[in-house]
Amino acid sequence: DTAVSQTPKYLVTQMGNDKSIKCEQNLGHDTMYWYKQDSKKFLKIMFSYNNKELIINETVPNRFSPKSPDKAHLNLHINSLELGDSAVYFCASSQDGRGAETQYFGPGTRLLVL
Amino acid sequence: AQSVTQPDIHITVSEGASLELRCNYSYGATPYLFWYVQSPGQGLQLLLKYFSGDTLVQGIKGFEAEFKRSQSSFNLRKPSVHWSDAAEYFCAVGEFGGGFKTIFGAGTRLFVKA
Repeated sequence: DTAVSQTPKYLVTQMGNDKSIKCEQNLGHDTMYWYKQDSKKFLKIMFSYNNKELIINETVPNRFSPKSPDKAHLNLHINSLELGDSAVYFCASSQDGRGAETQYFGPGTRLLVL
Repeated sequence: AQSVTQPDIHITVSEGASLELRCNYSYGATPYLFWYVQSPGQGLQLLLKYFSGDTLVQGIKGFEAEFKRSQSSFNLRKPSVHWSDAAEYFCAVGEFGGGFKTIFGAGTRLFVKA
């Protein structure tokens, strides 16, 4: 059983398009995250949600809109895609987001904007 | 704000040799510290973490790390490297600010030669 899953695994699209990435965790965790990993492997947090409530929003352009329909799902919608959005996007989850707990990462979604 | 420095972009070691990956952090209080590993095309997996207690922390896959407050370091070690250890290694520090946020270093790519 996959703990944290993401779809799609690969996404190639044109500039200006709108796309969504989905994430699901079956660990019963309360907190979920989105990270962006750029071409130099630098990994930066974008958002975190706890029980469907937005907790962290790291000055991400408002073209990026996360949505958490329930605590097991955290989707990422991106409007008007730009070349600089090309990256690997990782979803992660943790028990309650309160401290030094293990984060479990999904396999990543490789987004290429042409 | 906290930051993490991994001075080595890449390291090559021979199989069976010992390994030490360096990590320095900046934080005023006792930090939450983590080491994650990312195999090619995969998500991140937690190797070990430290937030209090014994400064020598044991992790999975035979890894250990030592917290040295005087040097602001949290170096990762393994006595004998296996070819399967070839991967990207990320040191990270956690901070509270609205929610718990993990700040990652730029990563060190480990190559293992036969």
